[in-house]
Amino acid sequence: KAGVTQTPRYLIKTRGQQVTLSCSPISGHRSVSWYQQTPGQGLQFLFEYFSETQRNKGNFPGRFSGRQFSNSRSEMNVSTLELGDSALYLCASSTGQAYNSPLHFGNGTRLTVT
Amino acid sequence: GENVEQHPSTLSVQEGDSAVIKCTYSDSASNYFPWYKQELGKGPQLIIDIRSNVGEKKDQRIAVTLNKTAKHFSLHITETQPEDSAVYFCAAVQIGSEKLVFGKGTKLTVNP
Repeated sequence: KAGVTQTPRYLIKTRGQQVTLSCSPISGHRSVSWYQQTPGQGLQFLFEYFSETQRNKGNFPGRFSGRQFSNSRSEMNVSTLELGDSALYLCASSTGQAYNSPLHFGNGTRLTVT
Repeated sequence: GENVEQHPSTLSVQEGDSAVIKCTYSDSASNYFPWYKQELGKGPQLIIDIRSNVGEKKDQRIAVTLNKTAKHFSLHITETQPEDSAVYFCAAVQIGSEKLVFGKGTKLTVNP
């Protein structure tokens, strides 16, 4: 079974721009959750989608948004990029809810904002 | 909200020795405690998890123990091997918000 696929692996953007990251979950997994990983803050939950609906949301500004398609693939968007948005963005899929089920992570998208 | 403290932040052991990483949590209602291993350039991978109805769980060289009274849980790796070198993250559930909160990670180095 193919794992979680995230594209692109690397992105370099300028402050003020917007960016879209993509995630394809494991076949059959309907929950997709997103995380931001930085050296200072560690792994932080962004949001979770299930059956095209946002099921839960972390403590991030409205510039961070996401969506899920009918095939469970998900995208996250960050608008008006700030230097502090530089991070590794990880997507995970699961069969159950993200907070109490094994998570299957992709290898992430490394975003650098200059 | 839930706070998960993980110690130590770095750990260096000789091949064949045991390694122990400890996490404490604040939400007494928390009932799910997974451990993830992250190798360089990869996403975290679940290595073991435990739910609050058991006190210990083992999987070959890896074990996790849970003390609900003291609100801490630990990862034990026996007979360490160089391929165990990675960053390990613990996590606990923040029940009210239904979110998984991660510890800051432990960088384990196993020296041959």
